[in-house]
Amino acid sequence: GESVGLHLPTLSVQEGDNSIINCAYSNSASDYFIWYKQESGKGPQFIIDIRSNMDKRQGQRVTVLLNKTVKHLSLQIAATQPGDSAVYFCAESKEGSRLTFGEGTQLTVNP
Amino acid sequence: SAVISQKPSRDICQRGTSLTIQCQVDSQVTMMFWYRQQPGQSLTLIATANQGSEATYESGFVIDKFPISRPNLTFSTLTVSNMSPEDSSIYLCSVEGGTSDTDTQYFGPGTRLTVL
Repeated sequence: GESVGLHLPTLSVQEGDNSIINCAYSNSASDYFIWYKQESGKGPQFIIDIRSNMDKRQGQRVTVLLNKTVKHLSLQIAATQPGDSAVYFCAESKEGSRLTFGEGTQLTVNP
Repeated sequence: SAVISQKPSRDICQRGTSLTIQCQVDSQVTMMFWYRQQPGQSLTLIATANQGSEATYESGFVIDKFPISRPNLTFSTLTVSNMSPEDSSIYLCSVEGGTSDTDTQYFGPGTRLTVL
């Protein structure tokens, strides 16, 4: 599955498919970006981060892509599992200043 | 990453009353942050709390409404004063990571507040 548009609040995918969650950030001077996962009833959980001197970073089943030209950040989840169902937030900061959070995307994984 | 706990985990309060939320970290941290997350919304920073100094509040948040204490490097409290139903939210504390990832923030489980 793939999200449509830059501000889609919900994304529904089949178990086993790859998921792509997008985020448009606002400050062209931001140099640090984080993806968080928030499950129902819990606090945000750190997933992966990337600095502006990189355009791609991989973790376990997750990849973050950064396109500074269009101020776009994406989170790719490989082989999506039911446990991946959550709200995903991107966040940005500049030179260690406070984090600014995006609106969030609700990911639902269908069995 | 640090282990962060919050008390209470949830509460239901009457309007006009105040609630103090506690945040405890298992290691010493310089900066602690308090966020509000209204239902179905993203996170908004209320204030930054450094030990030994006054908290720094973001636009739209004032000390009289959200007084914060930071008595030591492992603990902070946020009080929601004179509550109204509009204060019903999740309140989250966070801390910055260790020396290798000082920009990364790690969050507590949150306090779910309902004001009647």
